[in-house]
Order: sequence, then structure tokens, then C-alpha cells
Amino acid sequence: KAGVTQTPRYLIKTRGQQVTLSCSPISGHRSVSWYQQTPGQGLQFLFEYFSETQRNKGNFPGRFSGRQFSNSRSEMNVSTLELGDSALYLCASSIYRTGYYEQYFGPGTRLTVT
Amino acid sequence: GQQVMQIPQYQHVQEGEDFTTYCNSSTTLSNIQWYKQRPGGHPVFLIQLVKSGEVKKQKRLTFQFGEAKKNSSLHITATQTTDVGTYFCAGSFGNEKLTFGTGTRLTIIP
Repeated sequence: KAGVTQTPRYLIKTRGQQVTLSCSPISGHRSVSWYQQTPGQGLQFLFEYFSETQRNKGNFPGRFSGRQFSNSRSEMNVSTLELGDSALYLCASSIYRTGYYEQYFGPGTRLTVT
Repeated sequence: GQQVMQIPQYQHVQEGEDFTTYCNSSTTLSNIQWYKQRPGGHPVFLIQLVKSGEVKKQKRLTFQFGEAKKNSSLHITATQTTDVGTYFCAGSFGNEKLTFGTGTRLTIIP
């Protein structure tokens, strides 16, 4: 099975712009989560989508949004970019095992805001 | 909010020595997962612990979940250069959302 894919892998934007990142989960996985990883803050949960519905949300401002399509592919959007949004954005698709969800991470999109 | 603390932040060991990283939560966890992220890579799922006092082993790796389900540890016996990376714990507090610890970056001195 193909793994989780994320596009683009690298992105450079300027302050004030907006950006859309894409994630294609492993075939059959219906849950997709997004994380922001920075050296200072570590891995922080952004949101999770399941069957096109946002199921969980982290503590990020409203500039961060996402959606999931009927084929389980997901996008996240960041509007009015700030320098502090520079980070590795990771997408993870999940499959339910007995009692827990096992997450598979994609390679990430490295966003640099200048 | 619910947090998962992880120590140490960094650990340098001689090849062949043992390594341990610890996770603690002030709130009872429903389960805890462990991930490994190689330099330049992405987190890879290692294991899931659910039961109080649970111990699981994967070759040289031993994972423990505390009796109160508030702490967990990962112990690597006789480290090898392939063990290099950052080890994260991630706890769940009753829903599917995972709260990641800050990670322990392991470097191996050959």
C-alpha cells in the first residue's frame, strides 16, 4: 500500500499570503489529522477529520482551517501568514485497531514564511 | 490544558549503553503511543499501551505504562547507531486526539 502523501514538500511564502497544503491518506483510512512541528513547540495538534467532518480541534487561531473530501483526501489552509507559521506541517492518516487509532505520518510540508 | 511532559529533552549515550525516556501526565491517560522520528524524517508509530501496568517489548525496546496510567517509559537496551532519532510519546485523554510529548532526542557516540 502506498503511504501518506503530502504536497507540496517545500513551500516559501511571504507574510500576509495564504497557503493550502494537501494530504492523501493511505487507501482505506478515513481519519486524517494535521500537526505543526517546530523546534520550539514540538508536535502540536491542529485538527482531525473523519468522514468529511472535523472531529477534533487543537488550540490554533482561526487562520488555520481544514477540510476533508469524500475520497478522504484533506487540505489545510493558513490565511494571513505570519513569520511564526514557519514549520513542518505533518499529516497523519489513522486506522482503528482494537481500542485505539494507529497513525501513519506523511513526509510533511516544510513551510517557510519570509 | 492537558499536557504530556517528556524527559530528558536530549540524551547522548555511548554505543552499547542503555537509554530511557520518560513521559508524565497530570491527568489519567486512556492510552499512550510511542513514535520514533529519524533526523529529517517523519514520526513512525512504534507501539500502543492501553492497560494499567502494561509492559511490551520489541527486540531491544521495552515500553511500560504506569499503574495509575499517568506515566510511561521507553527503555532501549544496548543502543546501536540505528537507534538515533527523536522519541515521542503521545497520550490520549479519552478521545482520538493525541497530545504529543516534547520528545527526547537520542544521539549515539560510536
